[in-house]
Amino acid sequence: DTEVTQTPKHLVMGMTNKKSLKCEQHMGHRAMYWYKQKAKKPPELMFVYSYEKLSINESVPSRFSPECPNSSLLNLHLHALQPEDSALYLCASSQEARNSPFYGYTFGSGTRLTVV
Amino acid sequence: GNSVTQMEGPVTLSEEAFLTINCTYTATGYPSLFWYVQYPGEGLQLLLKATKADDKGSNKGFEATYRKETTSFHLEKGSVQVSDSAVYFCALSGKYSRGGGADGLTFGKGTHLIIQP
Repeated sequence: DTEVTQTPKHLVMGMTNKKSLKCEQHMGHRAMYWYKQKAKKPPELMFVYSYEKLSINESVPSRFSPECPNSSLLNLHLHALQPEDSALYLCASSQEARNSPFYGYTFGSGTRLTVV
Repeated sequence: GNSVTQMEGPVTLSEEAFLTINCTYTATGYPSLFWYVQYPGEGLQLLLKATKADDKGSNKGFEATYRKETTSFHLEKGSVQVSDSAVYFCALSGKYSRGGGADGLTFGKGTHLIIQP
């Protein structure tokens, strides 16, 4: 299995809703990432998990709450979002291998989120 | 901090034309360099990568060489096809100067490539 699977593919939520995005990989990667991509813009890094621990938080508002329950799964919990949070949310994974060849990052196909 | 600069386009070419998309970077340490492609409505696909100076990445007829002296990683293809129409992102890892994984990627703004039959 060489894929990163994201669910759902599309999500519409109101500003008072609570929802979660899910990301799963079975490649044995120990680093996982959340990116946010607005239309016609490059992806922007939000969070990095390394060995199931949060290692990087790029000053993301607290209405986005990441969780890494095990080495294969990454969640992004959403609460009280604003319409400007509408975007494509991409998950990625990679080896965490400082002493080994680095083969790059594998991205999922994303969850397209619309906040109404 | 780290940054990537690439031509934004749109770049419009005829089928079978030669393609160059320029990419230059600013980084501390020794970043790895990548080209990703994004088709409409889809996620990112790794096109090619290079992890050290003078490395050449290649895939599907695309090539790019990691030039440390000019801090560049230009993407080239000898003969483009309509199916190559997409947005191409140049990116680097190593923001936190750790190399390897778990650093995340810094992306250029993307180049929209349009190939006409």
